Amino acid sequence: QVHLVQSGGEVKMPGASVRVSCKASGYTFSNYGISWVRQAPGQGLEWMGWISSNNVYTNYAPKFQGRVSMYSDTSASTAYMELRSLRSDDTAVYYCARGRIGGDYWGQGTLVTVSS
Amino acid sequence: QSVLTQPPSSSGTPGQRVTISCSGSNSNIGTNTVNWFQQFPGTAPKLIIYNNNERPSGVPDRFSGSKSGTSASLAISGLQSEDEADYYCAVWDDSLSAVVFGGGTKVTVL
Repeated sequence: QVHLVQSGGEVKMPGASVRVSCKASGYTFSNYGISWVRQAPGQGLEWMGWISSNNVYTNYAPKFQGRVSMYSDTSASTAYMELRSLRSDDTAVYYCARGRIGGDYWGQGTLVTVSS
Repeated sequence: QSVLTQPPSSSGTPGQRVTISCSGSNSNIGTNTVNWFQQFPGTAPKLIIYNNNERPSGVPDRFSGSKSGTSASLAISGLQSEDEADYYCAVWDDSLSAVVFGGGTKVTVL
């Protein structure tokens, strides 16, 4: 059974960085890419980017270029998303999903709150 | 403002057919396949349609997708109370080199 389990909620000060992890199980991690999607309170879904299978390729949404990094540890079946220079409008639930366009399996979401 | 345009809301009575539109452009829907997601409050989205019109295993066949030109649609036939949720379309955009989501449509079962 496929599961994506994300790290717990975070509270960060403006200007700080946050790293969210996404541990996969139930399938061969290296065969699938992982995308990251966020959702601000009361808002819609926003695609942040994608890392391909085996860490070969990353693709970030223009809005996040230069501020986000996505990588994975294949040996640990875990993907990571790091967002830097946090602002208050980065407060959102961050999801990982299997596949480039969201996907067939999603993590439970990680609430990142940016507040002074 | 989203690159893909969806109506903010739609409603129907149990048993009715509801259709949600997703309007895009040549650089996204006109060229690439569309996915649809269902989301209940406080939970992660769920894939219900991929490649324009295919259903993942376990998704009821009352959900169907279609695409024509630069627009796509999600239809829910035989609407049920448990279908009350938010629905999002998503597609790769060649111009942006990124995935774009529609703004979402809240379906209410009256």
